[in-house]
Amino acid sequence: QSVLTQPPSVSAAPGQKVTISCSGSSSNIGNNYVSWYQQLPGTAPKLLIYDNNKRPSGIPDRFSGSKSGTSATLGITGLQTGDEADYYCGTWDSSLSALVFGGGTKLTVL
Amino acid sequence: QVQLQESGPGLVKPSGTLSLTCAVSGGSISSSNWWSWIRQPPGKGLEWIGEIYHSGSTNYNPSLKSRVTISVDKSKNQFSLKLSSVTAADTAVYYCARRYDIAAGDAFDIWGQGTMVTVSS
Repeated sequence: QSVLTQPPSVSAAPGQKVTISCSGSSSNIGNNYVSWYQQLPGTAPKLLIYDNNKRPSGIPDRFSGSKSGTSATLGITGLQTGDEADYYCGTWDSSLSALVFGGGTKLTVL
Repeated sequence: QVQLQESGPGLVKPSGTLSLTCAVSGGSISSSNWWSWIRQPPGKGLEWIGEIYHSGSTNYNPSLKSRVTISVDKSKNQFSLKLSSVTAADTAVYYCARRYDIAAGDAFDIWGQGTMVTVSS
């Protein structure tokens, strides 16, 4: 059972928009920055979003992040078949004194 | 371009010690970054194990702290993980990763390709 809660799966058609939620508490998301990762099958995770809504160099603006209270959201617009992957949120948990991740969300582009 | 490469035995016996090394290339381990170990059991999510700074300062996940040791070898530009008293629950892909020094929060911008470690007799 992960400290951060994500939906197990989401799906949408090519070209459409999808959002992935990440729910936590005041000890983690509520008072710390959130990052998001994309993990393509058989590969290492890749940083998509850091500090809630910032994109590293090279990440297209189709990917966006936001945070409100104890929840965070990853948005992906203009979906492509190449976006099919698992997506993870992560943040520091002050009560656990550990970095924690969500359980992951599998994105299917129909 | 900094790259990370994990290495170590792919099979460890129960009750034994898992030992992995992460070689840093294209940059110095003595830069202003923290260096982490993260694992992923088959079909499951990510778990942060711990991190080290080039000074030797460490932070560990409390859930694993009693069994984990992370060390750094600046002369070889690498850092290592030792996990003792392993069980089948420690079977996972182990990643080394670099903490993103530009981020105000916790994020990992560079990851190794990962190495699968199986605990079995």
